[in-house]
Amino acid sequence: AQSVAQPEDQVNVAEGNPLTVKCTYSVSGNPYLFWYVQYPNRGLQFLLKYITGDNLVKGSYGFEAEFNKSQTSFHLKKPSALVSDSALYFCAVRDGAAGNKLTFGGGTRVLVKP
Amino acid sequence: DGGITQSPKYLFRKEGQNVTLSCEQNLNHDAMYWYRQDPGQGLRLIYYSQIVNDFQKGDIAEGYSVSREKKESFPLTVTSAQKNPTAFYLCASSIGWNSNQPQHFGDGTRLSIL
Repeated sequence: AQSVAQPEDQVNVAEGNPLTVKCTYSVSGNPYLFWYVQYPNRGLQFLLKYITGDNLVKGSYGFEAEFNKSQTSFHLKKPSALVSDSALYFCAVRDGAAGNKLTFGGGTRVLVKP
Repeated sequence: DGGITQSPKYLFRKEGQNVTLSCEQNLNHDAMYWYRQDPGQGLRLIYYSQIVNDFQKGDIAEGYSVSREKKESFPLTVTSAQKNPTAFYLCASSIGWNSNQPQHFGDGTRLSIL
C-alpha cells in the first residue's frame, strides 16, 4: 500500500522568508510524486511533479521540490514567500507501475504574514 | 479554455434523498476520478474510470454510484445509503490511466444536509 505523510498541519512564515512544506512517502515501486495547491472553495492546482531524473524539480509560481530517495521525502520549497502563497498544500504519490491512483497527504496550511 | 466543470457549486440534500453531482470535461481525457474532501483528511478516492463505459470502486465507494456513458461526463450520485454525505466533492481527469501526467481538478461541489 502507498501512503503520504505531511507532518505539519500549519506552517507560518513571514513574507520574503524561505518557505518549506514537508512530505514523506511510502510506495512499493518507483514513486511518482506531485504537489498541489488549493485556495478556499476551489479545486486543486498542480504545482510540480517528480517522475524520474534530476532530484530538484522546478514548478509553477517559483516553487521547487527536492526528491530524496534515501529519506523517502519530497519537500516543497520557495526561496521567498509571498502573502498570496497562503493556501492549503497537498503532497500526493502513486506507484509508477500501478496506474494513476493517487494517495494524498492530509494537507498543510501555509500562512504567509506581511 | 479547456477544463473541468462541476455543478452545482452548492447542493443541499434532505434525509433519504439521492442527489447527483455533475462533472464535465472538455480536455479529451480518458480517465476521470471522484474524490471526497473532509477537513484535515486530505482527499479520498470514491470512484474512478479509466475509459468510457468503465469504472471501478475507490477507497470509499459505499453509498455512492457513478456512470461513464460519455467520455466527457462522469456524474456521481450520492445515495441515501451514504450516512455522512456532508463534504466537498472534487472531480478530476487525466490524459490516461497509465500516464505520468498530473490530474486536473474541477472547482468542487459542496454538499450539505438539510
